[in-house]
Amino acid sequence: AQSVTQLDSHVSVSEGTPVLLRCNYSSSYSPSLFWYVQHPNKGLQLLLKYTSAATLVKGINGFEAEFKKSETSFHLTKPSAHMSDAAEYFCVVSSRGYSSASKIIFGSGTRLSIRP
Amino acid sequence: NAGVTQTPKFQVLKTGQSMTLQCAQDMNHNSMYWYRQDPGMGLRLIYYSASEGTTDKGEVPNGYNVSRLNKREFSLRLESAAPSQTSVYFCASSETWDRVSNYGYTFGSGTRLTVV
Repeated sequence: AQSVTQLDSHVSVSEGTPVLLRCNYSSSYSPSLFWYVQHPNKGLQLLLKYTSAATLVKGINGFEAEFKKSETSFHLTKPSAHMSDAAEYFCVVSSRGYSSASKIIFGSGTRLSIRP
Repeated sequence: NAGVTQTPKFQVLKTGQSMTLQCAQDMNHNSMYWYRQDPGMGLRLIYYSASEGTTDKGEVPNGYNVSRLNKREFSLRLESAAPSQTSVYFCASSETWDRVSNYGYTFGSGTRLTVV
C-alpha cells in the first residue's frame, strides 16, 4: 500500500530565511517521488522528482529535496525564501506501471506563506 | 504557449444538469488524465487515457464519463451533476503511456465547478 503524509498544513517563514516542507511516505514498491507547486488559481507545476537515481534532487527556483529511505522522507528545502514562493506545495508518491494497481498519491498539501 | 488548456475556468450548475469540461494539449503527449481536487484530500484520479480511443477508470469515476477524441483532446462529462461533484477539476498530460507517469505531469489551470 502507498500513502503520503505532509506533516504541516501551513508553514510561514520570513523572506530570506530557509524553507522546510516535510513529507513522509510509505510504499510497497520502490517509489518515485515528486514535489509540485500550485500558485493561486493556477495548475500544478512540477518542481522536482526522484526516480531512483541521486538521492539529492535539485529542482527549479532553487528548491531541492533529499530522498531518505531509512526515514521514508522526502522533505523539500530552499536556502532562502522569496515572496514569489508563496503557494501550495504537494508531495506525490507513485509506483509506475500499466496495471490498475499502479497508483499515484497526492499529499493533502502545505500552504507556504512568506512574511516580508 | 505550449501546455494544457482547459475550458471553462468557472462553471455553476444546478443539480441534475449536464456539462462537458474540455481539455487540449499541444505537447504531443500520449497520456491524458482528469483529476479532482478537494480541500485536504489532494488530487484524486477520475479517469485516464493512455492513447486515442482508450480510457480507464481511476479512483473516483462514478458520475463521470470521458472521451479521448484524438491525441490532443480529452473531455470529461457530468451527465447529471450532483452537489458532491463541486470541486476543482484538473486535466493533465504526460509523455508516457503509463497509468502512472514517472516523468511527471503537465497540468492545466483548472475548472472550478459548483453544483447547487
